[in-house]
This record gives sequence, C-alpha cells and structure tokens, in this order.
Amino acid sequence: QKEVEQDPGPLSVPEGAIVSLNCTYSNSAFQYFMWYRQYSRKGPELLMYTYSSGNKEDGRFTAQVDKSSKYISLFIRDSQPSDSATYLCAMSESGANSKLTFGKGITLSVRP
Amino acid sequence: KAGVTQTPRYLIKTRGQQVTLSCSPISGHRSVSWYQQTPGQGLQFLFEYFSETQRNKGNFPGRFSGRQFSNSRSEMNVSTLELGDSALYLCASSSGGTNNYGYTFGSGTRLTVV
Repeated sequence: QKEVEQDPGPLSVPEGAIVSLNCTYSNSAFQYFMWYRQYSRKGPELLMYTYSSGNKEDGRFTAQVDKSSKYISLFIRDSQPSDSATYLCAMSESGANSKLTFGKGITLSVRP
Repeated sequence: KAGVTQTPRYLIKTRGQQVTLSCSPISGHRSVSWYQQTPGQGLQFLFEYFSETQRNKGNFPGRFSGRQFSNSRSEMNVSTLELGDSALYLCASSSGGTNNYGYTFGSGTRLTVV
C-alpha cells in the first residue's frame, strides 16, 4: 500500500460544476497537507496548504483535512475551463517545504 | 522576480551514460529539493540541499547524487543511466525555514534514456 492514494481519474466535468478531489494516506505522522496544480509542460504550483485538521477556503477552492480518517479533499466551486490541469495532493511530516509525499495526481478537464 | 530555472529542458541520453541537470533557485532561496516524476510512480522525493549541505534524502540508489553551490544553485547527477531513469526531473526552491509558502517548482528537465 502506498503512503498516499489518490483517485486515478481522469475526471471530466461541465463548466460550473462542483469538483471534489480526494486523497487518503496511511502515515499518521503527516501534519502538513497541500494541493498542487500542474499544467501541461509546467512544474506543480501550490494551490492550498493546511496544517493539521480543518478546513481552509480560498476563493473557489476549499481544502479539508480529516486526520482521524486520514482523508483530505479539495473542492472546486463554479469550475472553469482554466481549472483543467492535473491536481496532486502532497503531505509532509515536517513542513510545507520539506520532503513531500505526493499522490499520483488526477487530471481534470472542465468542458465549456 | 525570476522563477526557478532548470536547464536543459530536454535531454536524450544512452543507457550507461551519465547526466548532470542544473537548477537555479529563486533569488534569496537557500533550499533546493529535487523530485522525479514518472507516469507510473508520480512525484518522488530525491533529496534536499540547504546551505550546501544535504538535509534530506529519498529512497533512490546511489547513482543519483546532487550538490549545492555557495550561490544556492544546485546540480543533480545520475550515473550509469538506465531506461527506467526516463522521467521529468523537477527542482523546487524555498527559503528553507518553516513557512506556509511551500515550494516553487521549476518547469523541469525531461530526460529520455534510450
């Protein structure tokens, strides 16, 4: 079993849909949880960062962490074609910039 | 502000050769980390350098090595290349302290081993 599991996708939704992306993990020492977005031919860019359990909202994006269930989610409201990208969850024991363990990523396509 | 610069963008090498990849971090960033991205395994941590010292290392064979220079620029080297080393190699920089800002990644070097 990999330390971080992410739904493999791909995922295709119509513009305006609510998108839910999820990851589960097995390492209870993970304290820092991130979502990265990666466009084709680019490196990943940090989208959301959460420390420990809880919710965080930034515009159309909401990140949720449930440490008791070892489950994290990213919600995208009012999805746009520009949201079409690969989304990667990432986790760390010691910091948002320290030895991240990534999920394999899910490719999202938002249809106009 | 310039981003993380990786050179070259693309490389084709033959099995058994060695290769050196270069990364220039964001100005002022002292930490550089390297990741390997493949379709099968996703993104995997290779190593992290901070102030010229390796601070952390992933589970890769000794053929993978790196170093950091006094200006924070970093290189990674892969010796005795294998077909399975074909991947996108990503460099990421950060200030190095505990922060909420995470990494800034470069666009990567696409290595193909034939």
